Amino acid sequence: GAGVSQSPSNKVTEKGKDVELRCDPISGHTALYWYRQSLGQGLEFLIYFQGNSAPDKSGLPSDRFSAERTGGSVSTLTIQRTQQEDSAVYLCASSLTIWTGELFFGEGSRLTVL
Amino acid sequence: GNSVTQMEGPVTLSEEAFLTINCTYTATGYPSLFWYVQYPGEGLQLLLKATKADDKGSNKGFEATYRKETTSFHLEKGSVQVSDSAVYFCALRILGAGGTSYGKLTFGQGTILTVHP
Repeated sequence: GAGVSQSPSNKVTEKGKDVELRCDPISGHTALYWYRQSLGQGLEFLIYFQGNSAPDKSGLPSDRFSAERTGGSVSTLTIQRTQQEDSAVYLCASSLTIWTGELFFGEGSRLTVL
Repeated sequence: GNSVTQMEGPVTLSEEAFLTINCTYTATGYPSLFWYVQYPGEGLQLLLKATKADDKGSNKGFEATYRKETTSFHLEKGSVQVSDSAVYFCALRILGAGGTSYGKLTFGQGTILTVHP
């Protein structure tokens, strides 16, 4: 596609439910990144993929968070048993390779946990 | 570890004023430095970058110089416009010895800029 696409753009869920957030990177981009943007907290790195493998998962906040990427393209971030502190905007970005510095960001998925 | 510190905002200016947003970093290895901008209702986009010491990145009238001696990458613009109102993020990315990339960008907290007519 022309840009990084994320869905859903908004998600409201109840505490304890599972949610899936999807990212469709720019075609041909091998590197894909997930960040979380909370009010007043800046951008927090979660995980990145090179192809389908995740060399760095160090930012995942807990074992309730997981992510996968298939076919070197679409990625899904899953949050199990959501908590109120998970409320944030989840941003996805892609870059041609992990050696190119420009990341192209999607518009984010806003998650609200009630 | 690696970190980026930006001046706290929000910053409010009148149109045509001079802008400086301070950014300092702590890093091991050989960082590349970036400024990203997030306009209201839009995604983050790269504003400018510098990949080695003394490089100057520039775009849309904004400039930033990579200062290794002061570990800084301050963003400047000589005359801001209302359309520059946005959130600005400083970021770094490490290239290790031999060019091995660590992949991720480390961001500062962001600085909200509001420009009034």
